[in-house]
Amino acid sequence: GESVGLHLPTLSVQEGDNSIINCAYSNSASDYFIWYKQESGKGPQFIIDIRSNMDKRQGQRVTVLLNKTVKHLSLQIAATQPGDSAVYFCAENKAGTYKYIFGTGTRLKVLA
Amino acid sequence: KAGVTQTPRYLIKTRGQQVTLSCSPISGHRSVSWYQQTPGQGLQFLFEYFSETQRNKGNFPGRFSGRQFSNSRSEMNVSTLELGDSALYLCASSLAGGLSEQYFGPGTRLTVT
Repeated sequence: GESVGLHLPTLSVQEGDNSIINCAYSNSASDYFIWYKQESGKGPQFIIDIRSNMDKRQGQRVTVLLNKTVKHLSLQIAATQPGDSAVYFCAENKAGTYKYIFGTGTRLKVLA
Repeated sequence: KAGVTQTPRYLIKTRGQQVTLSCSPISGHRSVSWYQQTPGQGLQFLFEYFSETQRNKGNFPGRFSGRQFSNSRSEMNVSTLELGDSALYLCASSLAGGLSEQYFGPGTRLTVT
């Protein structure tokens, strides 16, 4: 079936370095994407979103890149901080539907 | 402003039993959505309630049901529990239901033995 980011890899980065977290999506009809951050013991928190008419969107210290050709989404975190340690996962949606597909995510560990 | 609260936070049940989970949305939010989160499947949408009516439903069996009260608080019920129902159940509230507008609660960790 359709899936987003089934694997849960772990990414370890040094504090201050940039982090890049990747997500593959399978539904070419999806036109809206979200990145979430989930800290241990907490619910997911919205970080940034992007629509399919864009290929890049920037927020505070975060950038999302969308490559529709290869159905790939990435989240870049600049100057990674200890507070960024969490599981990050992406979600895709087709506008006008409630068909949301969520990935299992990537665990980001920030090393001091 | 208080966030989304879920009770209980942890629950252990036996196969065949039923369970009711509760979610209190952020004040003023009329939409409450429920999700199941497991390590292997990630987050999966269960259903959404808006103004006491189920507006959308995911692909879960009829053992999973919910309701919403006039104060927007919502409950989710799972009957005839199975081992595979062990998961973190999250609810999210929003003003109108948009995915990007949702605020998630901390979840209820359900373990079925």
